[in-house]
Amino acid sequence: GAVVSQHPSRVICKSGTSVKIECRSLDFQATTMFWYRQFPKQSLMLMATSNEGSKATYEQGVEKDKFLINHASLTLSTLTVTSAHPEDSSFYICSASGTAVFEAFFGQGTRLTVV
Amino acid sequence: SQQGEEDPQALSIQEGENATMNCSYKTSINNLQWYRQNSGRGLVHLILIRSNEREKHSGRLRVTLDTSKKSSSLLITASRAADTASYFCATRDRGSTLGRLYFGRGTQLTVWP
Repeated sequence: GAVVSQHPSRVICKSGTSVKIECRSLDFQATTMFWYRQFPKQSLMLMATSNEGSKATYEQGVEKDKFLINHASLTLSTLTVTSAHPEDSSFYICSASGTAVFEAFFGQGTRLTVV
Repeated sequence: SQQGEEDPQALSIQEGENATMNCSYKTSINNLQWYRQNSGRGLVHLILIRSNEREKHSGRLRVTLDTSKKSSSLLITASRAADTASYFCATRDRGSTLGRLYFGRGTQLTVWP
C-alpha cells in the first residue's frame, strides 16, 4: 500500500510553545489529507480536512487558530499546535488520499505531551 | 463524530481460534474499510469492501457486508498472538470517494499464546 510518513513520532513541549507535526505522502500525490486526534482507548476524532492549495475545513469545536493546518504541496501537510496546553496532550494521526488511491493511508501518529 | 459502532468492544481468545468483530453504521455508504491499530501506533489498512460487494477475502481475513442491515463483520481465522490490536471499521458516505472516513469505537482484540 501507499506510504504516509508522519514526523515526529513523539514530542514533549512546554506549555505555551508551538509544535509542528508533518505528514508526507511518499509515493503518491495526496490531494486530500485528514488530521485526527485520538484519546486513549477511544476512536479517532476528525479535526480537519485539508485539500492541497486551499484552506482547511475544520470540524465543529476545533479551534482553527490553535490548530493551524497547511497543505502547500501534494505530498506535505503540516499541523501546528499553537500555544500548547497540557489538555492538548494527545495522539495525533494524519491520513492521506489521492485521486488514484481510494483507501486512506495513515501516518504512524505523533504522541504529543505538553508539560 | 462517529458513524458506526463495533461489537464487541473487547474480545479475548486463544491462539488458533477465530475472531469475529462486527460493525454497524448509519448512513448509505460508498465503501467500508477495516483498519488495525497496534497500541500507540498509526492505523494500518486491512481491507476495503465496496457497497456492491457482499464478501471479500484477504489471507486470513474475511469481510462481509450487508447493506440492508447496515452492518459488516471481520473474521480473522487461526488467530495469532501478533493479531493482538485494536480493529476499527470506517465508512465513507455514498457519493464520496475521497471524503472523510467515519470511524467506529473499535474492538480491542487480545490473542493469548
